[in-house]
Amino acid sequence: SQELEQSPQSLIVQEGKNLTINCTSSKTLYGLYWYKQKYGEGLIFLMMLQKGGEEKSHEKITAKLDEKKQQSSLHITASQPSHAGIYLCGADMRRITSGSRLTFGEGTQLTVNP
Amino acid sequence: EPEVTQTPSHQVTQMGQEVILRCVPISNHLYFYWYRQILGQKVEFLVSFYNNEISEKSEIFDDQFSVERPDGSNFTLKIRSTKLEDSAMYFCASSLLGVHEQYFGPGTRLTVT
Repeated sequence: SQELEQSPQSLIVQEGKNLTINCTSSKTLYGLYWYKQKYGEGLIFLMMLQKGGEEKSHEKITAKLDEKKQQSSLHITASQPSHAGIYLCGADMRRITSGSRLTFGEGTQLTVNP
Repeated sequence: EPEVTQTPSHQVTQMGQEVILRCVPISNHLYFYWYRQILGQKVEFLVSFYNNEISEKSEIFDDQFSVERPDGSNFTLKIRSTKLEDSAMYFCASSLLGVHEQYFGPGTRLTVT
């Protein structure tokens, strides 16, 4: 089984619609990172969550980490074509402070149709 | 805004050759990482580096791989004898602290023929 599962694998939405991407683990997530990647390019850092129940927002993107620290969601409000790309969740599943070793999910391919 | 840079953007090499991938982490960051992403697959951790030594390495990071911080700004990944299966996008990342925002570079696409 996957250590970090993302759903859905792909998502096609109409511009202006809201959407949610989920990231789930059977293990505790001590650091949960959201990145955006354009195909064949680097990972752009979006947000990092550490505490159970934590929520962060940047522009129209909100990320949450549940109280049990096993699930995170990324919510985009009023999506735009510029939001299109691959969204990756990465997590450190160890309670350690000497450098994060991130395990990544398979990614969610988001298409936003104008 | 500070960013991680990587060179070259694309490297083509023949099987058995040595390659060195270069990275310039964000200047005040203390932790450095290499990850790789084989086409169509997940991003995978290779190695972390702190205080001029390897903190942790994955099972992928075998004896053919090495990392070095030769000066105050560069961080390199060397693959001694490349194999076809080493073809991938290699990402460098850095963070200020051990558990902190980790910023990735644009990647080096390595093609082994």
